[in-house]
Amino acid sequence: ETGVTQTPRHLVMGMTNKKSLKCEQHLGHNAMYWYKQSAKKPLELMFVYNFKEQTENNSVPSRFSPECPNSSHLFLHLHTLQPEDSALYLCASSQDRAGADTQYFGPGTRLTVL
Amino acid sequence: GQNIDQPTEMTATEGAIVQINCTYQTSGFNGLFWYQQHAGEAPTFLSYNVLDGLEEKGRFSSFLSRSKGYSYLLLKELQMKDSASYLCAVMDSNYQLIWGAGTKLIIKP
Repeated sequence: ETGVTQTPRHLVMGMTNKKSLKCEQHLGHNAMYWYKQSAKKPLELMFVYNFKEQTENNSVPSRFSPECPNSSHLFLHLHTLQPEDSALYLCASSQDRAGADTQYFGPGTRLTVL
Repeated sequence: GQNIDQPTEMTATEGAIVQINCTYQTSGFNGLFWYQQHAGEAPTFLSYNVLDGLEEKGRFSSFLSRSKGYSYLLLKELQMKDSASYLCAVMDSNYQLIWGAGTKLIIKP
């Protein structure tokens, strides 16, 4: 238990569906991250929020839309996804974005797009 | 470009010692992290090195040579529960983590 929870753990959706992934951290951290993890590939950073403000968007397609209502919660809204978007989506948090702080991860959402 | 290299897969025997290497080329350096990830679970933090040398933490040790762009994770007295993927990541000058693809470690009895 790392103090970061994610729901749902598994999600199967069609290309026309709209769904949302949720992340919550109980560590009192100020920075939150979304990563994509595909088999045998390095983690890909998607979005970064620091003190609820988005600080980075690594050229992620607009079919992925993040939302950070407060420092403890992070959402990833999904719509009209493609089969190649099937992957493990990991949320992480750290004390701050500006320093060499350790990132703590949630267990991820395994997404399958049909 | 920035690059992290580590072996894709390694096999070792229960009770033995294994060394997982990681080499890196990044824009700046603000430390190197090792994480453990069991299948279907969250990556969990193992170690952080920012200065050259060996950091020991129980059965696990991590070594860093900044001049060589090289690190290794040493696991002693291997147990079956150590079967997992081990991820190497370097924090660059912008404090962004650059990740390797991970090394899958298989422990055999």
